[in-house]
Amino acid sequence: EVKLVESGGSLVQPGGSLKLSCAASGFTFSGSAMHWVRQASGKGLEWVGRIKNRGNDYATAYAASTKGRFTISRDDSKNMVYLQMNSLKTEDTAVYYCTRHLIVGAMDWFDPWGQGTLVTVSS
Amino acid sequence: IVMTQSPLSLPVTPGEPASISCRSSQSLLHSNGYSYLHWYMQKPGQSPQVLIYLGSNRASGVPDRFSGSGSGTDFTLKIRRVEAEDVGVYYCMQALQLPLTFGGGTTVEIK
Repeated sequence: EVKLVESGGSLVQPGGSLKLSCAASGFTFSGSAMHWVRQASGKGLEWVGRIKNRGNDYATAYAASTKGRFTISRDDSKNMVYLQMNSLKTEDTAVYYCTRHLIVGAMDWFDPWGQGTLVTVSS
Repeated sequence: IVMTQSPLSLPVTPGEPASISCRSSQSLLHSNGYSYLHWYMQKPGQSPQVLIYLGSNRASGVPDRFSGSGSGTDFTLKIRRVEAEDVGVYYCMQALQLPLTFGGGTTVEIK
């Protein structure tokens, strides 16, 4: 079964740091680009950032709202992708999802999505 | 790229059709002929799941009552006959360029 499981979400104070993890299974993780997407309570989906595979030099890209504060990394030996979040703000409060960017030739889509992990930034 | 969906809410009678519109602020048509527009569905309490990719391609396991159409800047998701299990929020998403952006979502509910 192709699966993603996020963990690491918790309550953190403004200005604090948190590292989220996403464990992948059931597919060739090392060949996949991985993305993080977040969703504030009752709100829509917001792209956070992505990391490409080794063949693309593990290139990263970030949303403007997270650039300079968030860092995405991966460990292909463990089939894990991470989201390091620093200088957290109350507006970062959301459920964070990881998702695989599946690319077949010129076609692409995002599947699967993990169940999400909740990050609450509050004093 | 700004994505605009309508309507915001869509009450539907079971067995009746439903249609959701998505418009992008710039063309999603790549030189390879594909429009990089996806549709995702989020059932209550669940994570998003892919329905349609590249405008009109149904993802594996998606019932054939779902269909996507459109090209360039205007896209439509249609549900031929809505079933109770189709309740949820539907999002369009552009994957042509970063940052990836989503429409605001359309909530489909049963009348």
